[in-house]
Amino acid sequence: GDSVTQMEGPVTLSEEAFLTINCTYTATGYPSLFWYVQYPGEGLQLLLKATKADDKGSNKGFEATYRKETTSFHLEKGSVQVSDSAVYFCALSVIGGYNKLIFGAGTRLAVHP
Amino acid sequence: KAGVTQTPRYLIKTRGQQVTLSCSPISGHRSVSWYQQTPGQGLQFLFEYFSETQRNKGNFPGRFSGRQFSNSRSEMNVSTLELGDSALYLCASSAGQPGNTIYFGEGSWLTVV
Repeated sequence: GDSVTQMEGPVTLSEEAFLTINCTYTATGYPSLFWYVQYPGEGLQLLLKATKADDKGSNKGFEATYRKETTSFHLEKGSVQVSDSAVYFCALSVIGGYNKLIFGAGTRLAVHP
Repeated sequence: KAGVTQTPRYLIKTRGQQVTLSCSPISGHRSVSWYQQTPGQGLQFLFEYFSETQRNKGNFPGRFSGRQFSNSRSEMNVSTLELGDSALYLCASSAGQPGNTIYFGEGSWLTVV
């Protein structure tokens, strides 16, 4: 079945460091891919998405490129801030699944001043 | 534009009781889906409704049920609560077509004692 694998956390960085959170997927066909962020005590916020191969999603300095050849959707940010501390979830939309999302386990990011 | 609204935000129930959670989707969205989030199992899909019809269902026991009304508002019900049902229940809405962005609410925190 479809699945998403994320790098395990926590990831601890200093402010202004470069961030990469790896995400790979297994799916039938070419699903849409998403990154969601969850701040403590809150729901999920969509960070970015890509709907087809080679698409690059971007938002608030975060970027991720849909790589069909490596079945990956790695999240990157050039300079993290303390306010980026949160849990990040990679997800895919199951083809024919009527908006069913499959999530990775989540990666906790802690950014220190 | 108002986001996805879930009520109640927090609730405590006793084993064996039942609970009903409510979700109002973003105006104009016809698809509502529900997810359960726990530390052990992560984010798991419960079911999705579109125009009052359940289109997809996750792998949860029959104690978990839902419905959608003509105004797209949705409710989910859990009967005969178990301790393991303690979780954050997230509602999400979208326009309902493949590739549409899926927006999440803040969630309802359920504690079963």
